[in-house]
Amino acid sequence: ETGVTQTPRHLVMGMTNKKSLKCEQHLGHNAMYWYKQSAKKPLELMFVYNFKEQTENNSVPSRFSPECPNSSHLFLHLHTLQPEDSALYLCASSQASGSNEQYFGPGTRLTVT
Amino acid sequence: AQKITQTQPGMFVQEKEAVTLDCTYDTSDPSYGLFWYKQPSSGEMIFLIYQGSYDQQNATEGRYSLNFQKARKSANLVISASQLGDSAMYFCALGSSNTGKLIFGQGTTLQVKP
Repeated sequence: ETGVTQTPRHLVMGMTNKKSLKCEQHLGHNAMYWYKQSAKKPLELMFVYNFKEQTENNSVPSRFSPECPNSSHLFLHLHTLQPEDSALYLCASSQASGSNEQYFGPGTRLTVT
Repeated sequence: AQKITQTQPGMFVQEKEAVTLDCTYDTSDPSYGLFWYKQPSSGEMIFLIYQGSYDQQNATEGRYSLNFQKARKSANLVISASQLGDSAMYFCALGSSNTGKLIFGQGTTLQVKP
């Protein structure tokens, strides 16, 4: 595997479900990011991790819970989501959080019913 | 405050012709970067080109070039010799050298006609 991978690629969940999105980067980077892309809106930064430490939480509701066990893996745990949370969730990585060039995964298309 | 604006929701271009996608920005950071990404229908964001605020020359990467006009705060993407595979959404992004955060524009959908 190369680059940034995300699983699952598609996810449909009910509002009472608990699920997790997984991101893995094979680039030797130290910073990882979660973005949300809703229809007809710019990408919104959700979380930033630098050397496994969370350095940014962009006022994200607590029903989204990130986890970064090491520099290569990033998770987004989801629970009691709302229909408006349906979106494309993109993971990205970069050499460090001060290094702007970010490489993205293919995204997880989430639908909340 | 940082702001990035793409004013063209959609663009058409004939195959083999050149096209310019507009991007303007505003920032108070003395050092920053400008990025262009391509997002095909598959969803993945593909990095295309980068321009640093102190770079003297406009960035080029193959058929992509960035027309950077610092005084006008614009960073337009020029795609030469368009190909059908260039049809996608294109995002301009502004990055702060201090925080490393990227702020994305609204995007421009490009359709290349055969």
